Amino acid sequence: DQQVKQNSPSLSVQEGRISILNCDYTNSMFDYFLWYKKYPAEGPTFLISISSIKDKNEDGRFTVFLNKSAKHLSLHIVPSQPGDSAVYFCAAPASSNTGKLIFGQGTTLQVKP
Amino acid sequence: KAGVTQTPRYLIKTRGQQVTLSCSPISGHRSVSWYQQTPGQGLQFLFEYFSETQRNKGNFPGRFSGRQFSNSRSEMNVSTLELGDSALYLCASSSPWGDTEAFFGQGTRLTVV
Repeated sequence: DQQVKQNSPSLSVQEGRISILNCDYTNSMFDYFLWYKKYPAEGPTFLISISSIKDKNEDGRFTVFLNKSAKHLSLHIVPSQPGDSAVYFCAAPASSNTGKLIFGQGTTLQVKP
Repeated sequence: KAGVTQTPRYLIKTRGQQVTLSCSPISGHRSVSWYQQTPGQGLQFLFEYFSETQRNKGNFPGRFSGRQFSNSRSEMNVSTLELGDSALYLCASSSPWGDTEAFFGQGTRLTVV
């Protein structure tokens, strides 16, 4: 049972344009979400998070939107840069007071110069 | 503050052998989780240790085991290695409570031949 889903395996955008990465979840008990960025053969790096009490969180070029009724979140990167090319994972803690994260399958973003 | 350290970075083993991977979490972090990433797969949760006790376990066979020491350092062991165990093994540490991000190490690339 895939509780966190990223249905787009890949996304290609032009440098300077907006990148929108999507994530859906099925467990309505999830109340915190995280986005990670990963380069090949390296560990994921935390990007940005959002609590379910908010519908938007912004950090520089990165903004995450949460639509609880649709069980959907999205990561917007504006403007996109070639260095943003990586695999992006959304994740949610399995429950409170746990370090266990449930990850989506990831979306590979390619930003073309 | 030092990050999460995983050793070794690369490992080549033969089918049937066993392997031990090590993870040193961020100072003060007591939760250590292990994940497996195989080509085309997302990050699959293996287990989480907190204060030397296994707090969560994923759906992996008993050949995969782990432990945590009093200084929060953790090891995972895979016995009777199979070709399918070839993967990037990632360790993440986090503070004990939810709503905080997990910090990942660089990973150990295990190749079983």
